[in-house]
Amino acid sequence: AQTVTQSQPEMSVQEAETVTLSCTYDTSESDYYLFWYKQPPSRQMILVIRQEAYKQQNATENRFSVNFQKAAKSFSLKISDSQLGDAAMYFCAYRSAKNGNYKLSFGAGTTVTVRA
Amino acid sequence: DAGVIQSPRHEVTEMGQEVTLRCKPISGHDYLFWYRQTMMRGLELLIYFNNNVPIDDSGMPEDRFSAKMPNASFSTLKIQPSEPRDSAVYFCASRPGIHPNYGYTFGSGTRLTVV
Repeated sequence: AQTVTQSQPEMSVQEAETVTLSCTYDTSESDYYLFWYKQPPSRQMILVIRQEAYKQQNATENRFSVNFQKAAKSFSLKISDSQLGDAAMYFCAYRSAKNGNYKLSFGAGTTVTVRA
Repeated sequence: DAGVIQSPRHEVTEMGQEVTLRCKPISGHDYLFWYRQTMMRGLELLIYFNNNVPIDDSGMPEDRFSAKMPNASFSTLKIQPSEPRDSAVYFCASRPGIHPNYGYTFGSGTRLTVV
């Protein structure tokens, strides 16, 4: 079974600054997908960014970018120019690329607070 | 599209009562998932369906839990009898069968409190 580890329970960032959230995962597979989800106080789970393991290029979505290090099994999320609306819990998630396996395994989450 | 719709948003019930959570997936999505979120255990997959057929229910905690998907637009998660330790937020999510890198679309969740 795959495990996803987020070692930072909480992170704080000044508005307009940059924060990086760490995520590591354990797998014996070579092909898989990685995701970051955001859960604001409204508790809606919102997909922030996705990465295919076979792609070397790091994914980017506006102010959100990832640093995918496949050999190290690391998938960190960088939030640039932080805004008050970025305050939320962020979850890293893993999914196997095996046909028919659609389970998403989540990390424990990192709570991000943004200081005005 | 209205997204994944869950009802009720909040549910408070007494221990021993039956509780039913409901979910309407996004039209055209072939997969439907039920997750439970607690402080202690985080997000756990309970069960998922493909084309209305249960594929993996290994996460269902015990026989008190059951899930059905009678058609492509509706699913239920039932707990009978409910216990205080079932208190959690229950999420439903769906995704299309194609586009393997597609993430899930989650509903807003049902916060269940069993007293």
